[in-house]
Amino acid sequence: DTAVSQTPKYLVTQMGNDKSIKCEQNLGHDTMYWYKQDSKKFLKIMFSYNNKELIINETVPNRFSPKSPDKAHLNLHINSLELGDSAVYFCASSRNPLNSPLHFGNGTRLTVT
Amino acid sequence: QQQVKQSPQSLIVQKGGIPIINCAYENTAFDYFPWYQQFPGKGPALLIAIRPDVSEKKEGRFTISFNKSAKQFSLHIMDSQPGDSATYFCAAGGRYGGATNKLIFGTGTLLAVQP
Repeated sequence: DTAVSQTPKYLVTQMGNDKSIKCEQNLGHDTMYWYKQDSKKFLKIMFSYNNKELIINETVPNRFSPKSPDKAHLNLHINSLELGDSAVYFCASSRNPLNSPLHFGNGTRLTVT
Repeated sequence: QQQVKQSPQSLIVQKGGIPIINCAYENTAFDYFPWYQQFPGKGPALLIAIRPDVSEKKEGRFTISFNKSAKQFSLHIMDSQPGDSATYFCAAGGRYGGATNKLIFGTGTLLAVQP
């Protein structure tokens, strides 16, 4: 069983559209994250939730809205997609928000045309 | 102050060689230094991590060396194998800005181990 699974794996869409990426973890972890990896492979945190509460919210356009219906799920909704949003988005989880190892999903490659 | 500088950007070694990847940080509040390994099409996976109270940690063929006074740490891969070819990321985390932490990742090193 995949520990952190995210769907879809690939997402190709046009500018201006709204899209969502879903993430689920079956590790029983309390904390979940969204990271963005750009074309140069730079990894940057976007959001973190602990027990469904937002604890990290980096300087991300408010077109990006995370939602955590329960502590095993963290979804990312993106409104009015722009070309610069093209990247690989990784979901991750950790046992707690304090220096415990991150377990990453395999990423969603978003391409905005 | 929240940057983690990683070098080199890419590295090619022969099988059996010892690639070394270096990272430097500025924020002395960092107290957790993991390394992640990423294969193409996959998410990063934790390889090994160190805390600043020790100067070296080994796990199998992977060793972290840590120099607290210089604010530097490095990854050594002993007897490297073609299967080690991947992108390696250092990171730094710490309890700052409250009771939570966030990892700051280095820019990554693409390692190729030639047979």
